[in-house]
Amino acid sequence: KNQVEQSPQSLIILEGKNCTLQCNYTVSPFSNLRWYKQDTGRGPVSLTIMTFSENTKSNGRYTATLDADTKQSSLHITASQLSDSASYICVVSGYSGGGADGLTFGKGTHLIIQP
Amino acid sequence: SQTIHQWPATLVQPVGSPLSLECTVEGTSNPNLYWYRQAAGRGLQLLFYSVGIGQISSEVPQNLSASRPQDRQFILSSKKLLLSDSGFYLCAWSLRDRGLPFFGQGTRLTVV
Repeated sequence: KNQVEQSPQSLIILEGKNCTLQCNYTVSPFSNLRWYKQDTGRGPVSLTIMTFSENTKSNGRYTATLDADTKQSSLHITASQLSDSASYICVVSGYSGGGADGLTFGKGTHLIIQP
Repeated sequence: SQTIHQWPATLVQPVGSPLSLECTVEGTSNPNLYWYRQAAGRGLQLLFYSVGIGQISSEVPQNLSASRPQDRQFILSSKKLLLSDSGFYLCAWSLRDRGLPFFGQGTRLTVV
C-alpha cells in the first residue's frame, strides 16, 4: 500500500533558527514529489516539485532534498520567519496506486515559529 | 499563467439545506479537476475527480455529488447537508497524467 509518512507531526522553533522536516514514502513506481505550504484556513501552495533524477531544489529559504534510493525527502527552512508558521505537506505522485488521482498525501507537519 | 478560483471562502448552512460550491480554472485547457476535503489534523481526502466535461469519478460514497458542466468549471453539490459534511473543501487542478495539483483557496463549510 502506498504511504507517505511525515515527521515530526508538529514542531516549534524560535524565529531565525533553521529546521528540517522529513517525508518518507513507499510509493512505487515513483513519479515526482511536491512540498506544499498551507497557511491556516488557506489552500496549499506549492514550494518545490522534484522528479526522480533531482537531488536538491531550492526556493528562497526553502531547500528540498530527495533520495530516491531510500525513498526519503526533506524540506530545510533556513533563518525561519514568523510567516513560515504553517503546515507543510508532502505529496507523492506514482504511476499506479495511491488514490485514483495517483497521489498519496502525507498528513503534514505543523510548524510554529515563535518570536 | 494559470489561476484557480474557488468560492465562497466560508459558508454556514443549516442541516438539510442544499449546497453548491463552485470552482473555475483559468489559463489552461482540459485540466484534471479535483475536490478534496480536509479534516482537522488529518490529510487531504479525495472526494471527486474529473478528466473531462461530464466525466466524474467518486472516490468515497457520501452525501455529496460533483458536476463539470464546462471544461474549466467544477461544482460540488449536496441536496441535503448533514452535520458530518462540515469541513474544509479544496478544489484543485492538474495537468493530465497525474500531475501534482494546484489548489484553490478552500471553503470552510460549517453545517449547523
